[in-house]
Amino acid sequence: AQTVTQSQPEMSVQEAETVTLSCTYDTSESDYYLFWYKQPPSRQMILVIRQEAYKQQNATENRFSVNFQKAAKSFSLKISDSQLGDAAMYFCAYRKNNRLAFGKGNQVVVIP
Amino acid sequence: EAQVTQNPRYLITVTGKKLTVTCSQNMNHEYMSWYRQDPGLGLRQIYYSMNVEVTDKGDVPEGYKVSRKEKRNFPLILESPSPNQTSLYFCASSSSVGNTEAFFGQGTRLTVV
Repeated sequence: AQTVTQSQPEMSVQEAETVTLSCTYDTSESDYYLFWYKQPPSRQMILVIRQEAYKQQNATENRFSVNFQKAAKSFSLKISDSQLGDAAMYFCAYRKNNRLAFGKGNQVVVIP
Repeated sequence: EAQVTQNPRYLITVTGKKLTVTCSQNMNHEYMSWYRQDPGLGLRQIYYSMNVEVTDKGDVPEGYKVSRKEKRNFPLILESPSPNQTSLYFCASSSSVGNTEAFFGQGTRLTVV
């Protein structure tokens, strides 16, 4: 099974500040996909951002951006200008074909 | 509206009483999967299916069964539930196109007493 590692189970950020969540993964593949999902208290899994491994350019979606380091097998998520609605559990995920492996998650707490 | 529908949302049952959690998607996706989510462990894949009549074990398949008789449905069956199967379960579907995300159901909170 693929291994996806997220350290720092809980992180706090002041509203309007920036927080970075780290994710590393283990694979011998060269072609795969990476995702960050957000899970608010409603339990719904919401896609935040995706990255194709063959693309060198880091993905960006509004206030969310990633730092993808393929050689280091690292895929961190940066949340800029944090808002109260960003408070949630965030999961990093690796996809190869139909195998989707998740990290254990980072709980993000936003302080008003 | 594109969606994955799981039922029931909440279920309390007793040890050994067979149960089925249903999952249906309306996006004509080839891939469907079941996950369980436990505190501190993230989401772990139980079973997955790449198409009708094609299923395979994920990382934690023990105690579970699945079937894929129709493309849209992928039920999860617990023949003899045990307390260690108390968990939050998610069904997900995705296109075979690699960069597409998985769409998740709303989750089923299962408690086995």
